[in-house]
Amino acid sequence: GAVVSQHPSRVICKSGTSVKIECRSLDFQATTMFWYRQFPKKSLMLMATSNEGSKATYEQGVEKDKFLINHASLTLSTLTVTSAHPEDSSFYICSARAAGGPLNEQFFGPGTRLTVL
Amino acid sequence: QKEVEQNSGPLSVPEGAIASLNCTYSDRGSQSFFWYRQYSGKSPELIMSIYSNGDKEDGRFTAQLNKASQYVSLLIRDSQPSDSATYLCAVERLPGNTGKLIFGQGTTLQVKP
Repeated sequence: GAVVSQHPSRVICKSGTSVKIECRSLDFQATTMFWYRQFPKKSLMLMATSNEGSKATYEQGVEKDKFLINHASLTLSTLTVTSAHPEDSSFYICSARAAGGPLNEQFFGPGTRLTVL
Repeated sequence: QKEVEQNSGPLSVPEGAIASLNCTYSDRGSQSFFWYRQYSGKSPELIMSIYSNGDKEDGRFTAQLNKASQYVSLLIRDSQPSDSATYLCAVERLPGNTGKLIFGQGTTLQVKP
């Protein structure tokens, strides 16, 4: 149980294009999903919290117009990196907290490695 | 002071030994603590959660929490080469009930055959 998927697993795009990443909870309902970014040899940095049916809340320093988040259902959240630039190249990971599950216990998706040329 | 601190390592132990990973946190009110394992190029995998002072055992893993000292540790008994990974300590971010976690930078563990 508690499986989270992400798609795509890897994407290479040209500078200026937009990239959409999907995060799905496969066997549970996730009222809350989180989006993280991880640079090489660094820890996870929380970008935003995505709640089903409401606007995402962004961490300080994260541009909400650049990183668009939509939590359309209890099993799907999407992150769109708009007008991507090389500095946006990173490992993007989502996590999900199960509705009614242990507080703060999060399950991570496999991650999406974005490379912007 | 970082909110969650870990020694980045690498921590090198021989196969079969006990690996001890340590983590300190700054927010005294935190109530939830987690250890994640992350293999290179992969996403984190939850190993243990601990909420009360004392020890919590799960197979070869034991998590230890001391809220007074703001210290949480992970012991891995009978270490195997497959345990070689980066171990991330995560602490509930206050105010609570948001589900948000603060991660340490991780400790790299190397288990040598």
